[in-house]
Amino acid sequence: KNEVEQSPQNLTAQEGEFITINCSYSVGISALHWLQQHPGGGIVSLFMLSSGKKKHGRLIATINIQEKHSSLHITASHPRDSAVYICAVKDDKIIFGKGTRLHILP
Amino acid sequence: KAGVTQTPRYLIKTRGQQVTLSCSPISGHRSVSWYQQTPGQGLQFLFEYFSETQRNKGNFPGRFSGRQFSNSRSEMNVSTLELGDSALYLCASSQDPGETQYFGPGTRLLVL
Repeated sequence: KNEVEQSPQNLTAQEGEFITINCSYSVGISALHWLQQHPGGGIVSLFMLSSGKKKHGRLIATINIQEKHSSLHITASHPRDSAVYICAVKDDKIIFGKGTRLHILP
Repeated sequence: KAGVTQTPRYLIKTRGQQVTLSCSPISGHRSVSWYQQTPGQGLQFLFEYFSETQRNKGNFPGRFSGRQFSNSRSEMNVSTLELGDSALYLCASSQDPGETQYFGPGTRLLVL
């Protein structure tokens, strides 16, 4: 079993829909990261969380330490949100999930 | 501020050769991490450097090595290349360990 599991693996939605991507982990962590990777490889760090909730524009990330679970939400999704979203957990080392490929249709 | 830069951007090598990849962090950033990304394994952690010292190392064979210089620039080296080393190698920098990382564009290595 992978130490970091993301769901769904692939998600296609219509523009404007509310998107939720989930991340569950089985190891102790000091922080959890959400990353965005666009075609071509560039990676952007979206959030770093150790508790609670963070919001940046249309993106919201939450984490429940007791349940070892985090969610990334996108409100009013747009085709430019199409990317791979990667969850990563960090203690002394960083472990990545396999990513969720999101495709938003216009 | 300029972002994280990696050189070269693309590289083709043959099995058995060795390769050196370079990463220049954002000015003022002292921590540099290296990652390997492949279609099969996804992203995997290689090393983390801070103040010229390796803080952490991922589960990679000894053929993979790295170093950090006094100006925080970092290099990683892969010796005796194998076909399976074909990957996108990403470098990320942060001001200090544990802080938000900023990723470079990556070096795409193809081993033939």
